[in-house]
Amino acid sequence: QSVLAQPASVSGSPGQSVTISCTGTDSDVGKYNLVSWYQQHPGTAPKLIIYKTTERPSGISNRFSGSKSGNTASLTISGLQSEDDADYYCSSYAGGSTLVFGGGTFLTVL
Amino acid sequence: VQLVQSGAEVKTPGASVKVSCKAFEYNFVSYVLHWVRQVPGQRLQWVGWINPDNDNKKYSEKFQGRVTLSRDTTANTVYMELSGLTSADTAVYFCARVARTTMVVDGLDVWGQGTMVTVSS
Repeated sequence: QSVLAQPASVSGSPGQSVTISCTGTDSDVGKYNLVSWYQQHPGTAPKLIIYKTTERPSGISNRFSGSKSGNTASLTISGLQSEDDADYYCSSYAGGSTLVFGGGTFLTVL
Repeated sequence: VQLVQSGAEVKTPGASVKVSCKAFEYNFVSYVLHWVRQVPGQRLQWVGWINPDNDNKKYSEKFQGRVTLSRDTTANTVYMELSGLTSADTAVYFCARVARTTMVVDGLDVWGQGTMVTVSS
């Protein structure tokens, strides 16, 4: 299973919006609407913020939204806040009951 | 609802390690549990999953042959055993629960605190 491609880093100012991409293939991201996104602060476990490509778990701010076009999924964070400063990982169902993660993106809130 | 993992381990190369993950405050057999590892400073890597209800499992090709997942339904606990350890296996190992009972592979909504496994001679 290969790694989903994410930009190594993105940045934005407080109040702005940023979008993080997650590029796979037509065997994973492109084939299934089972992309998830996680936020991870240093030294802590990942936190689920998007599942089923566009759904937010209970308690997750509506500033986080997910979408997909072709083989690329995207996470958009609007109204950036300092606490959004973290690593973000995508994952996707990859067929055959397997899961694949992205390489991770570090978001800096300037 | 929480998952509580066993404590940090230090192993020598070639040894095996067994990490536990105990579930609290939900129906243990209703949700598939995954294992994910993270080498310090690096990305998340999927290890595999186990269905506590029927003991079905699936392993990542990367770990196939070296990893064994098991469960004890009387103790609401799953285990991950990794053999043939090398320094490259030094990482934090997480267990995590799928978000929906009907799904084998899904978003992972409840995570254990992680177990640091250090492999060093």
